[in-house]
Amino acid sequence: QQPVQSPQAVILREGEDAVINCSSSKALYSVHWYRQKHGEAPIFLMILLKGGEQKGHDKISASFNEKKQQSSLYLTASQLSYSGTYFCGTERFDSSYKLIFGSGTRLLVRP
Amino acid sequence: NAGVTQTPKFQVLKTGQSMTLQCAQDMNHEYMSWYRQDPGMGLRLIHYSVGAGITDQGEVPNGYNVSRSTTEDFPLRLLSAAPSQTSVYFCASSYSWEGNTEAFFGQGTRLTVV
Repeated sequence: QQPVQSPQAVILREGEDAVINCSSSKALYSVHWYRQKHGEAPIFLMILLKGGEQKGHDKISASFNEKKQQSSLYLTASQLSYSGTYFCGTERFDSSYKLIFGSGTRLLVRP
Repeated sequence: NAGVTQTPKFQVLKTGQSMTLQCAQDMNHEYMSWYRQDPGMGLRLIHYSVGAGITDQGEVPNGYNVSRSTTEDFPLRLLSAAPSQTSVYFCASSYSWEGNTEAFFGQGTRLTVV
């Protein structure tokens, strides 16, 4: 069962912020975030493990709410290079070794 | 390091033909997997392997076979191609099967079945 991502699409002006959510109905061991540009392979952004930690990478950060089985990706002061499709991937405790991805969130940053 | 290498990059098959998509990694990763990507559906797991000689099914395994005779290689076989298998296929590898290490993706194989 795929995690649910929202929103499906976002359009921003350069410098604006965005939040992308990823939720699961089952207990999660880890949440991965990847970005994919058109015609390219997905590129790793970060991993969050159970424990509710928050990670950051430049102006992109993420949190993992273990109680809600939900993760959020925060894009701050967006840049044109942030455009692409963002995927969350989850590994559940009851389904080991399987990294299952959501359907993606398309992000477009305009000048 | 080349990372994860997939061949071919593009392929057109006729319905009923069989073929093998190749995937090789040179990072000594334990875990390898195959995904297919269709518009609006994200990446769906086909098969995965936690080490040489060990494979298992993912979300959408029907119509595909895999084997893992070496750590480096993880080929995906289409037994009898169908138009529904038209997709972009990605191979990925990770250092560990524990889900706590990043996945490295190959550049993909765009397959069209006519």
